[in-house]
Amino acid sequence: DVVMTQSPLSLPVTLGQSASISCRSSQSLVYSDGNTYLNWFQQRPGQSPRRLIYEVSNRDSGVPDRFSGSGSGTDFTLKISRVEAEDVGVYYCMQGTHWPYTFGQGTKLEIK
Amino acid sequence: EVQLVESGGGLVQPGGSLRLSCADSGFIFSNYAMYWVRQAPGKGLEYVSAISSSGDSTKYANSEKGRFTISRDNSKNTLYLQMGSLRPDDMAVYYCARPGGSDWGQGTLVTVSS
Repeated sequence: DVVMTQSPLSLPVTLGQSASISCRSSQSLVYSDGNTYLNWFQQRPGQSPRRLIYEVSNRDSGVPDRFSGSGSGTDFTLKISRVEAEDVGVYYCMQGTHWPYTFGQGTKLEIK
Repeated sequence: EVQLVESGGGLVQPGGSLRLSCADSGFIFSNYAMYWVRQAPGKGLEYVSAISSSGDSTKYANSEKGRFTISRDNSKNTLYLQMGSLRPDDMAVYYCARPGGSDWGQGTLVTVSS
């Protein structure tokens, strides 16, 4: 299985500051169709996961433009600018290129 | 608005069976592959199984092969997961999800305990 490694696992952030989460895969996530199926999810306490970013850098509808994704191959990043209180939760990267699809361990974002 | 609603979770003894359902409303269910994802208490997310839009192709994560069966009834807009030989480490919230994780249900809790 493809191993997804996130860092850091804990991310204390001051309101209004920026945050960055790294995600590395054990294999290239470029699929045979040329697309890279790397997604980012937010899971607020007590809620289902919500997708924020798909295929590395595409924001889902309704997701604030404070969230952005980048990367290629095996190395990816989620950036959150101007962190707000509502951003508290756990963030997961997920690869949808190789079955079984796999998630990173999760990064817990908290407000300092 | 896409709505996925899971049901069928509950308490089951080790070695027992359970069938989960996921009812979809709000989009053309039969056009899309569907997935089951689980989350053990306090843990991360794990894909369990996948099924093609027609239902003729299925996939399972390694530990579920032979114990779980995914199926769907497109006439009822419903996805199923038949789980057997349940073990304590199968205890989790089970979510159904659309391709790419674009939409999720609220989840149903499966507890495996004697």
